[in-house]
Amino acid sequence: DTEVTQTPKHLVMGMTNKKSLKCEQHMGHRAMYWYKQKAKKPPELMFVYSYEKLSINESVPSRFSPECPNSSLLNLHLHALQPEDSALYLCASSQALTYEQYFGPGTRLTVT
Amino acid sequence: LAKTTQPISMDSYEGQEVNITCSHNNIATNDYITWYQQFPSQGPRFIIQGYKTKVTNEVASLFIPADRKSSTLSLPRVSLSDTAVYYCLVGDLVLSGGSQGNLIFGKGTKLSVKP
Repeated sequence: DTEVTQTPKHLVMGMTNKKSLKCEQHMGHRAMYWYKQKAKKPPELMFVYSYEKLSINESVPSRFSPECPNSSLLNLHLHALQPEDSALYLCASSQALTYEQYFGPGTRLTVT
Repeated sequence: LAKTTQPISMDSYEGQEVNITCSHNNIATNDYITWYQQFPSQGPRFIIQGYKTKVTNEVASLFIPADRKSSTLSLPRVSLSDTAVYYCLVGDLVLSGGSQGNLIFGKGTKLSVKP
């Protein structure tokens, strides 16, 4: 199984809502990542977990809250988002840091 | 932080070899060079990774000169299905001394393959 799955595929939420994005992999990878990608722009790294510990936080606003419950799961909790947060949110995993990353299909988020 | 520069777009024809160059003048000693391919509305897909000299796999080759200030992704005999955006990444997520690493995608090269 070389797949990273993400749910939901699409999400529309209001600025006062609380929602969560989910990511799962069963490749035994010990590093997991969240990226944000705006249209026609490259992905921007948000968070990195290594062995279930937050390794990198790229100065992301606190309205985004990551969580890594176990080595296979990665969540991104969303609260009080702004319309400019609308984007494709990508999850990735890798065997360890510096190894090639496997990306999921992304969650298309629209904040109204 | 290593900043990368790539051509915005390139055109090619089926069956040709395509070379995409990425400049990274301030690459750090520990930084790796990685290339990804992305189709619309999909996550990026790993193509190849290298540190120095030449790396080859079943889909591409990566050429890195001795000074490592640039790298060239070579795609042999492209087909229509190779039409995509190609990203160059430079960085290292593992740093000593408790420093936080970084990984920055280049702006990407949109490759269009024509019949």
